[in-house]
Amino acid sequence: DGGITQSPKYLFRKEGQNVTLSCEQNLNHDAMYWYRQDPGQGLRLIYYSQIVNDFQKGDIAEGYSVSREKKESFPLTVTSAQKNPTAFYLCASSRTSGGAADTQYFGPGTRLTVL
Amino acid sequence: RKEVEQDPGPFNVPEGATVAFNCTYSNSASQSFFWYRQDCRKEPKLLMSVYSSGNEDGRFTAQLNRASQYISLLIRDSKLSDSATYLCVVNMIKGSQGNLIFGKGTKLSVKP
Repeated sequence: DGGITQSPKYLFRKEGQNVTLSCEQNLNHDAMYWYRQDPGQGLRLIYYSQIVNDFQKGDIAEGYSVSREKKESFPLTVTSAQKNPTAFYLCASSRTSGGAADTQYFGPGTRLTVL
Repeated sequence: RKEVEQDPGPFNVPEGATVAFNCTYSNSASQSFFWYRQDCRKEPKLLMSVYSSGNEDGRFTAQLNRASQYISLLIRDSKLSDSATYLCVVNMIKGSQGNLIFGKGTKLSVKP
């Protein structure tokens, strides 16, 4: 099946720990994105990548890091510098990320809770 | 003015009702418009893209008004399964990059 997978579905972290969220896609999409969603809030863009080995900060990149070593994979690390990491994290991909902003498709999300 | 603004609802309607959601956007240069549906504790899923001429997909109709910078979604003959949060999504152009901006969503609850 083609699609986007995220793991784990639920993640618990102690304060001061770094954690890495996985995102994999087999849609052959060039662009990938990480969003964060808080209760009652819209999605906010953390990082995005238009092509392998390149990525840009979104609106709320502080306390997060990413890598894009392979087209299929775009892992997100939530570092201890992120002050309020408890949230629902969504990964998405699209064919391209040009001026017209191609349709994005989402993975099932990871729910991160800091204990 | 917020980039993408939606009435948060909730809209509580009986089965079979017709319901309409509106969304306004601030960037007149926006080129792409979408409606996504998000069920509770799930990921957003594309419902439909919105085209300048308006488009229909079964019971769902989307309209775009560029002059007034708003898009709408009309749902006819509501079903219980339509209960969800509907996200208005618009692209914002920054240089050559177009990123999507998501509204906070409008919650719909269809009752028997």
